[in-house]
Amino acid sequence: DGGITQSPKYLFRKEGQNVTLSCEQNLNHDAMYWYRQDPGQGLRLIYYSQIVNDFQKGDIAEGYSVSREKKESFPLTVTSAQKNPTAFYLCASSIGWRGKNIQYFGAGTRLSVL
Amino acid sequence: KNQVEQSPQSLIILEGKNCTLQCNYTVSPFSNLRWYKQDTGRGPVSLTIMTFSENTKSNGRYTATLDADTKQSSLHITASQLSDSASYICVVSAQRGSTLGRLYFGRGTQLTVWP
Repeated sequence: DGGITQSPKYLFRKEGQNVTLSCEQNLNHDAMYWYRQDPGQGLRLIYYSQIVNDFQKGDIAEGYSVSREKKESFPLTVTSAQKNPTAFYLCASSIGWRGKNIQYFGAGTRLSVL
Repeated sequence: KNQVEQSPQSLIILEGKNCTLQCNYTVSPFSNLRWYKQDTGRGPVSLTIMTFSENTKSNGRYTATLDADTKQSSLHITASQLSDSASYICVVSAQRGSTLGRLYFGRGTQLTVWP
């Protein structure tokens, strides 16, 4: 069953805690992305990676970190520096990052603060 | 400022009726425009993608139009079904030289189809 798998579906963070959201894809896509979605808002880009071992900050990278050690994996860590982490987080991938490349999205992780 | 505006914010229609969702954008330089469908609590799924030279594209009961001169797009849904209830998101891609084709997301139109 090909696609993008995000886990967990729901996640709770305590004050001062770092949490990591998992994103795995078996589509053999080079590019991967992390977005944050808040109610009534458009998706906002946190980080993106065009290729293994490379990643770039998006529009709202502060308080987040990523790694891209393997082509199929792009985990996102929400650090304690992110003061308002409650949101729906979406991971996406595409064959490349130019032109008409369609982004395929995972099912999302909903993060809440305890 | 590069922006994507969608209207209406929400829409309720009866099953079997048609509807049209609107998207206006100010993104420049324009590369392509995409419509996504997002079910509640799920990730968005691509419906259509259109470049500058394409002014209409269909995907089953979904038909998207693009007027690149006026920077407007519409998504027409024919013979609506209960499963069409979702948020429909307009996304515009900009070219920026050799860097990432930046995507600009609208806030979405929340469509509810009643039986």
